[in-house]
Amino acid sequence: SYELTQPPSVSVSPGQTARITCSGDALPKQYAYWYQQKPGQAPVLVIYKDSERPSGIPERFSGSSSGTTVTLTISGVQAEDEADYYCQSADSSGTYPRVFGGGTKLTVL
Amino acid sequence: QVQLQESGPGLVKPSETLSLTCTVSGGSISSYYWSWIRQPPGKGLEWIGYIYYSGSTNYNPSLKSRVTISVDTSKNQFSLKLSSVTAADTAVYYCARETYHCTNGVCYTLGFDPWGQGTLVTVSS
Repeated sequence: SYELTQPPSVSVSPGQTARITCSGDALPKQYAYWYQQKPGQAPVLVIYKDSERPSGIPERFSGSSSGTTVTLTISGVQAEDEADYYCQSADSSGTYPRVFGGGTKLTVL
Repeated sequence: QVQLQESGPGLVKPSETLSLTCTVSGGSISSYYWSWIRQPPGKGLEWIGYIYYSGSTNYNPSLKSRVTISVDTSKNQFSLKLSSVTAADTAVYYCARETYHCTNGVCYTLGFDPWGQGTLVTVSS
């Protein structure tokens, strides 16, 4: 199977910058996507194609890619950003065309 | 804007078949990929499979032997069947849309957007 690895948790104070990483062997060849999920709600797409931001997503959300790691950066974190964040991508062979990371709980202190 | 709504039984007995339908409103089911994704209570997301509006499918290898996804373009709906369920299949089941974009011969998905609100399916006798 193909796995995307995320840290279980990240904590930051309001106004600081949060960085959530996602690692996978195929990430140099496959785009990554990021989703925000608040309790009791469906996930919401916040980044697509590694670094593109959908309309309606605040500019403080950004994405980047370097080798086998992609990073979701939230600048000037607000209390409302506290949520679970999931990366999503695919393996390079096509066997696993859609795979989610295990998720990262972002806590705003 | 496009909205997705899952529907189906909230309780299924072990060894039986789970059946869900996703109704698409506010837009056409044509020209998009449509996925089912699930989330066991307190756990992460798992992609189950997708169907293109034309009927072609792709499934998660770990579930492939038990999954069937179908589409009814006349009703703007697509459906999930998961056979031989066990307690491990208890989860919130989401449906979601993917848009493919092609430029200069390179195609890529714009991600899962939007999602349905999700429906909890419990497997229990």
